[in-house]
Amino acid sequence: AQSVTQPDIHITVSEGASLELRCNYSYGATPYLFWYVQSPGQGLQLLLKYFSGDTLVQGIKGFEAEFKRSQSSFNLRKPSVHWSDAAEYFCAVGANTGTASKLTFGTGTRLQVTL
Amino acid sequence: GAGVSQTPSNKVTEKGKYVELRCDPISGHTALYWYRQSLGQGPEFLIYFQGTGAADDSGLPNDRFFAVRPEGSVSTLKIQRTERGDSAVYLCASSLIAGTANEQFFGPGTRLTVL
Repeated sequence: AQSVTQPDIHITVSEGASLELRCNYSYGATPYLFWYVQSPGQGLQLLLKYFSGDTLVQGIKGFEAEFKRSQSSFNLRKPSVHWSDAAEYFCAVGANTGTASKLTFGTGTRLQVTL
Repeated sequence: GAGVSQTPSNKVTEKGKYVELRCDPISGHTALYWYRQSLGQGPEFLIYFQGTGAADDSGLPNDRFFAVRPEGSVSTLKIQRTERGDSAVYLCASSLIAGTANEQFFGPGTRLTVL
């Protein structure tokens, strides 16, 4: 069964500082990996995704993530955080077979940005 | 264009009552998903439809939960004999076609409170 662990429940960073949110997954083969952001009152928005190929993927809003198979990790990074990045971030894994469609999400990391 | 919409945005009901939650997917999207997000947790997969048929209902917690999509567009999630443990935000998502590689676009959710 696929699963995702986000070890940090809550992270606080200063505006302009760098950010790294951790994600570890469990899946039998190479998975499809996603990062979503959820702001209060908003739906989940896809930041980026990894399917195959280059292990460093770029997303929207200046975010990037790196797939490391040896560590079963897919950490999200941003070089310089903006106050508007304060939100909840979810890592998710999906099967890469056929029409399998369900996503399995982690419990999320809440990001607080101090000015 | 319009995104995924869900109605109502909030629903308060009493234990034992029946509720229906509605999802309008993005026009032209053939796949539709339901997830449940409990407080402090990530979204949890319930069911997904490809067209009118439920392709995977493995996430439905028990037979009190049922979902339909009779014309391949709007979907209704039905919960019978509601329990306090059903309180959560119910999220709907849609994608152009089924398959994890296809981006799922999420609605804002329906917050269900069972008293």
